[in-house]
Amino acid sequence: TAGITQAPTSQILAAGRSMTLRCTQDMRHNAMYWYRQDLGLGLRLIHYSNTAGTTGKGEVPDGYSVSRANTDDFPLTLASAVPSQTSVYFCASTPTSGGATDEQFFGPGTRLTVL
Amino acid sequence: AQKVTQAQTEISVVEKEDVTLDCVYETRDTTYYLFWYKQPPSGELVFLIRRNSFDEQNEISGRYSWNFQKSTSSFNFTITASQVVDSAVYFCALQGGTGGFKTIFGAGTRLFVKA
Repeated sequence: TAGITQAPTSQILAAGRSMTLRCTQDMRHNAMYWYRQDLGLGLRLIHYSNTAGTTGKGEVPDGYSVSRANTDDFPLTLASAVPSQTSVYFCASTPTSGGATDEQFFGPGTRLTVL
Repeated sequence: AQKVTQAQTEISVVEKEDVTLDCVYETRDTTYYLFWYKQPPSGELVFLIRRNSFDEQNEISGRYSWNFQKSTSSFNFTITASQVVDSAVYFCALQGGTGGFKTIFGAGTRLFVKA
């Protein structure tokens, strides 16, 4: 069982360039999330999607956009990368929408460096 | 606003020592859920435990135990007889109430267990 896959594993990106981080889950989970992990700050929610066709902003959404065309895929796009977006990005999912009881299932992460 | 504080940034112990990781949370809600996740050096995030706000029973799972005290808004995690494989970053998280399904993570505690 793959669970959640993310691509690429790591990337070095020039500032000002755009990039899409891919996330795919095979668990048919309704809700999906994007987090960034920075030292000393834990994980912070960027965007989320309760179900296919809907998205919402998290704690740190600026500079990022998402789409949820279907249940399985939840890509994260950086339109014009800046060095402060250097981070490790985790995609996650939960079985239900709005399920406060659900634990999160995480992908392996994408390490992004913006120079 | 909801908040999770893990005051211990790093802890270093020698194998077989017991170690407690502290977690203090803030919420005005009466219904919420607390979680612990483990992030080993490989980078993936692994769910360890969930506890709801109405269940203050302590839980033990092998060498792991959790102490939930609403009176002090704490959800501490103890590893008994630590092993090198316990070396990881541990995150405490809060879900529910006014935050709904959105997860608030603490900054994490990095645990080093030396042989």
